[in-house]
Amino acid sequence: DTAVSQTPKYLVTQMGNDKSIKCEQNLGHDTMYWYKQDSKKFLKIMFSYNNKELIINETVPNRFSPKSPDKAHLNLHINSLELGDSAVYFCASREGRDTEAFFGQGTRLTVV
Amino acid sequence: EDQVTQSPEALRLQEGESSSLNCSYTVSGLRGLFWYRQDPGKGPEFLFTLYSAGEEKEKERLKATLTKKESFLHITAPKPEDSATYLCAVQARAYGQNFVFGPGTRLSVLP
Repeated sequence: DTAVSQTPKYLVTQMGNDKSIKCEQNLGHDTMYWYKQDSKKFLKIMFSYNNKELIINETVPNRFSPKSPDKAHLNLHINSLELGDSAVYFCASREGRDTEAFFGQGTRLTVV
Repeated sequence: EDQVTQSPEALRLQEGESSSLNCSYTVSGLRGLFWYRQDPGKGPEFLFTLYSAGEEKEKERLKATLTKKESFLHITAPKPEDSATYLCAVQARAYGQNFVFGPGTRLSVLP
């Protein structure tokens, strides 16, 4: 039973389109994250979401918006996609402040 | 400026050839240092958490240690299945609930 699952695994879309990536965790965790892994494999935090408190990395364009319908889900919406948005996006969750995070399998987004 | 670095960037070992990976950090108020393994096309997989200098954790062929400035991941007699990218992540008071990841070490173990 997958702990953190993301859909889709692959997403190819044209510039200017709007797309969403879904994330669900069945661990009962309170905090969820979105990370971006670029072509150099660097993992960078985009958002963290805890008990309806959203913390945004100030470098993330406002075309990206996380939406949490409930505690187990944190979806990522991206408007007006650009070529530079191509990357692998990871969802993660954790139980408490100083505990490990569990990651999904990633969504490879390719913007053409 | 707070920073997390890892060395070497890439490492090739023969099967059975032990070595160490380094993760150096300059953050203050460390709350935890985490090691992850990432296989191609997959998400990071948790290995260890270290919270204070002097702490050590072991799992099979892997042993992680922590000092006030760096952490080492020692790999003893590695096997080809240990080939992966190893990432360290730091949680510090200044980061709130967020991790800051290092760039990773890409390990290849040749049979």
